[in-house]
Amino acid sequence: QQQVKQSPQSLIVQKGGISIINCAYENTAFDYFPWYQQFPGKGPALLIAIRPDVSEKKEGRFTISFNKSAKQFSLHIMDSQPGDSATYFCAATRASNTGKLIFGQGTTLQVKP
Amino acid sequence: DGGITQSPKYLFRKEGQNVTLSCEQNLNHDAMYWYRQDPGQGLRLIYYSQIVNDFQKGDIAEGYSVSREKKESFPLTVTSAQKNPTAFYLCASSKDRVTYNEQFFGPGTRLTVL
Repeated sequence: QQQVKQSPQSLIVQKGGISIINCAYENTAFDYFPWYQQFPGKGPALLIAIRPDVSEKKEGRFTISFNKSAKQFSLHIMDSQPGDSATYFCAATRASNTGKLIFGQGTTLQVKP
Repeated sequence: DGGITQSPKYLFRKEGQNVTLSCEQNLNHDAMYWYRQDPGQGLRLIYYSQIVNDFQKGDIAEGYSVSREKKESFPLTVTSAQKNPTAFYLCASSKDRVTYNEQFFGPGTRLTVL
């Protein structure tokens, strides 16, 4: 019930294309879903987050889509750039929780020029 | 500059030795966290602390210990009881109970047990 499953494990996209990463969760009590971006040898950085009262949130080229009934959420990177090449982690938690984020396994994105 | 610092960046340890990883933040954040990252796996929570002199076990606390004597510092000790300590260790912090889930990460310490 605490797992967050992320797919695909790795992804290769051409420059200018759309990158899509999917996550699924089981615990219906989860109500905060952040995405983190991590470059090699660095710590993750918060990219964008969504709460289940909205179905989509957009920040620049990054969009989270949320499907509450399916217990799934996804990250879309529009007009993908080589600089977007990184590992992306989804996470889930209860907004009222103590900061105990449950992370997905990560997706390594490579954007080819 | 405000941020989270972790030291050292790389650490090598012989089997059977305890080692302490440093984490310092000057963001005036209340909460601090330690995560472990292994290849192909997400981040797993080791310990967390919301206030000074108090901390709780995360999902994989066995073989680790922490202290929180100062608000800005949250050192992690990897003891010899940790069966597979080679990993990338990440420290994080968040501001307060309203924003516990908005966590900021340090650059990490890569621990290798020889």
